[in-house]
Amino acid sequence: EAQVTQNPRYLITVTGKKLTVTCSQNMNHEYMSWYRQDPGLGLRQIYYSMNVEVTDKGDVPEGYKVSRKEKRNFPLILESPSPNQTSLYFCASSLQATYNSPLHFGNGTRLTVT
Amino acid sequence: AQKITQTQPGMFVQEKEAVTLDCTYDTSDPSYGLFWYKQPSSGEMIFLIYQGSYDQQNATEGRYSLNFQKARKSANLVISASQLGDSAMYFCAMREGQAGTALIFGKGTTLSVSS
Repeated sequence: EAQVTQNPRYLITVTGKKLTVTCSQNMNHEYMSWYRQDPGLGLRQIYYSMNVEVTDKGDVPEGYKVSRKEKRNFPLILESPSPNQTSLYFCASSLQATYNSPLHFGNGTRLTVT
Repeated sequence: AQKITQTQPGMFVQEKEAVTLDCTYDTSDPSYGLFWYKQPSSGEMIFLIYQGSYDQQNATEGRYSLNFQKARKSANLVISASQLGDSAMYFCAMREGQAGTALIFGKGTTLSVSS
């Protein structure tokens, strides 16, 4: 089944403890992206990747890192999480980075930082 | 300025009726795509339907259709024969141009379907 898989689905952690949220797609998509969703602020892009080894900042990149060593994987790294990074995170991918390419989302990761 | 505007915070509809969710957009790029997503209470984001700026006909996918009025810059989602399972948040979104731009979301409309 074609899908974007994120793990974990739920994560509770403490301030400063490094964590990684994994994202993998099996559709051979070139473009991958991370979003966070917050009440009142909507969905905002964190980072995106146009292809392997090509990543760039979105609207809210501070406090996050990403890497794209393989086409299928695009992990999100929080080196020193803080409570303001408590959010619902989505990984998404599309075949191409063009206007006519729908983004397909993973099931989301609910992160709580205490 | 808001690129995607959804003016209806909440909508209510009876089962089996049709409902229209409004979306207006703002762009100066001639190449753009408009998308609708459904987010149930479980949280996942489900792609429903796509309309391209150069498409001559309105997009349809099963019970979903997109009423695209380019001159008015509107892209309303029409759900026919509503079902209880359609209760969810619905987001209109836009992607512009050829070079890896983000998907820009509206604030969403909560749809409640009652029996």
